[in-house]
Amino acid sequence: GAGVSQTPSNKVTEKGKYVELRCDPISGHTALYWYRQSLGQGPEFLIYFQGTGAADDSGLPNDRFFAVRPEGSVSTLKIQRTERGDSAMYLCASSGDYNEQFFGPGTRLTVL
Amino acid sequence: AQRVTQPEKLLSVFKGAPVELKCNYSYSGSPELFWYVQYSRQRLQLLLRHISRESIKGFTADLNKGETSFHLKKPFAQEEDSAMYYCALTHNAGNMLTFGGGTRLMVKP
Repeated sequence: GAGVSQTPSNKVTEKGKYVELRCDPISGHTALYWYRQSLGQGPEFLIYFQGTGAADDSGLPNDRFFAVRPEGSVSTLKIQRTERGDSAMYLCASSGDYNEQFFGPGTRLTVL
Repeated sequence: AQRVTQPEKLLSVFKGAPVELKCNYSYSGSPELFWYVQYSRQRLQLLLRHISRESIKGFTADLNKGETSFHLKKPFAQEEDSAMYYCALTHNAGNMLTFGGGTRLMVKP
């Protein structure tokens, strides 16, 4: 079946612009996670949804970052006033009953 | 706070040699430990988890609570094992993963 998908695969933007990154989880998965991976490092947790609500957003670095999941399926990560330090691979994962997280291919964000 | 350390950024071995990728963690409770793998041009995927106590693609990992380690081992490396390997832990509240920095395994012919 279809795995986790993320769009766009690549996003290049200018400093100060607003970006949205989309994640389509595996159908029926109630849990959805966002991670950020900088070059040469492991993924770092950003936010976790259980259904429609953000169960834990302790990993969001500051208030420029926000994520929603209005219908409990697709999620959008929103970054305002982007900075060069936001450049990274943004990964989404979803999980169902057995807590195994299935990852998407990621969105590579480059802020010029 | 939880932390996962993978001391080797790069591990290079010859085909048929034994492999051990090191992972140490710090966590005050009882975490669940995982190894994830990312092959070239593929997405991150689960390799194994300590509660399953199974061998996947010839790899095994034993949780040593005394040494707070979860090293990944394979007796005879194959070229197709070349990939990035990430050790990770989670706890029951939310299951978000804390990853180590990763180790690149290169298996030479």
